[in-house]
Amino acid sequence: QLQLQESGPGLVKPSETLSLTCTASGGSISSSGAYLNWIRQPPGKGLEWIGSAFYSGNTYYNPSLKGRVTISVDTSKNQFSLKMRSVTAADTAVYYCARGGGIAVAHQWGQGTLVTVSS
Amino acid sequence: EIVLTQSPGTLSMSPGERATLFCRASETVSNNFLAWYQQRPGQAPRLLIYGASTRATGIPDRVSGSGSGTDFTLTISRLEPEDFAVYYCLQYGRSPSTFGQGTKLDIK
Repeated sequence: QLQLQESGPGLVKPSETLSLTCTASGGSISSSGAYLNWIRQPPGKGLEWIGSAFYSGNTYYNPSLKGRVTISVDTSKNQFSLKMRSVTAADTAVYYCARGGGIAVAHQWGQGTLVTVSS
Repeated sequence: EIVLTQSPGTLSMSPGERATLFCRASETVSNNFLAWYQQRPGQAPRLLIYGASTRATGIPDRVSGSGSGTDFTLTISRLEPEDFAVYYCLQYGRSPSTFGQGTKLDIK
């Protein structure tokens, strides 16, 4: 069974770039039809879709993040990554990577990683 | 973007009862691309339903989804202790995909 694990710094300074990687084990992330998603959840709040990459390479982003986000896929490492530029305290959240059959529709999730934006 | 409004905000029920959760969209959800997630404290969300009514793998048949257009329902019959959690609806028919604010199902 495919398992996902997020990794990256837990603390990022304001105005810097948040970088996270999701590594898959027990299967391939790039099987036909798979969407690779990043979703976040501020402490005590609800879920927000950040963006997705389709297995073919197309990417889709939430316009509310104003072009600050890039998602990339490295099939050779069975990983996909998130970069978010110019972060502020409002970007403090638990960040989840997830894989499934649709944008934000995910059967498999990582455990989530808390990223705090603070100086 | 499509705004999803879930009701009630909190639902207090007893084990063995039937729970009904609602999700209303500000516009028609294309192709009934509406999903439901369950989130227990400290855990990642778990997909329950997609396509408004299709159960995800491993979800018991006492969990069901229905609805179309702008009004959708998640029903859990015969509540078990593990069902007490927060539930989110998600529309993925039009970009950006958006979530509802959640319904907390707690034990009465």
